[in-house]
Amino acid sequence: QVQLKETGPGLVQPTQTLSITCTVSGFSLTSYYMQWVRQTPGKGLEWMGFIRSGGSTEYNSEFKSRLSISRDTSKNQVFLKMNSLKTEDTGVYYCARERSYGVMDAWGQGASVTVSS
Amino acid sequence: AIVLNQSPSSIIASQGEKVTITCRASSSISSNYLHWYQQKPGAFPKLVIYSTSYRASGVPSRFSGSGSGTSYSFTISRVEAEDVATYYCQQGSSNPYTFGAGTKLELK
Repeated sequence: QVQLKETGPGLVQPTQTLSITCTVSGFSLTSYYMQWVRQTPGKGLEWMGFIRSGGSTEYNSEFKSRLSISRDTSKNQVFLKMNSLKTEDTGVYYCARERSYGVMDAWGQGASVTVSS
Repeated sequence: AIVLNQSPSSIIASQGEKVTITCRASSSISSNYLHWYQQKPGAFPKLVIYSTSYRASGVPSRFSGSGSGTSYSFTISRVEAEDVATYYCQQGSSNPYTFGAGTKLELK
C-alpha cells in the first residue's frame, strides 16, 4: 500500500528555516520522482520542485534561491528545506509521488505551517 | 510559466446535473501533460483524470476529460453529493508545473 506522510514543525518564525520530512512506504524512491507542492491562502496550489528517481533536483524559480530538496533512500525519506521564511509562506506543504508526465498520483496528508513571531 | 485559466470559479449544481469545467492554457500543452484533481475540504488533492482523458484508479465513470492544445475540459455527467469539492487542472509539461485557480462545486 502506497503511503506518504509529512512531518513538520507547525510554527516557524519569520526569517527562520523550514524543514519538512516526507516518509514514504509501499514504493521505492529510486523508481519515482518526488514532488513538493504547497497550498497558501494567497496563491493556491504552487509547485515547488522535485527530486528525480536518480537523485537530481529541479526547482520552481520562485523558490530556487531558498529551497532545497534532498532524500535518504535508506530511510525512505524526502526532505524539504526552505530558508528566509516570510508570513506569506504560511500554508500546507504536500509531498506527492509523480508517476510520469507530471501526474501526481499519490499525496501525503500535508504539513500545516504557520510563519509567525 | 504556463498559466492555466480555469472557469467558472464556482458552480452550484443540482444532483444529477451535468457540469463542465474549462481549463485554458497560455501556451499549447501536449495532452499527455494535462491532469485534473479533486480536493475536498481539509484533504489533499486527489488525482481524478490524468493525461487529459484517463480516469485514475477507482474513479467513477461519470468523470471524464477531453481537450487538446490550449483548451481542456472536465465533465461530471451526473453530479452526486459526494462530488462536492474544488477541482483543479494542472500541467506537467514545463517547469514550473502549474495549477489552475480551482473550481468550487457546490450542491443546490
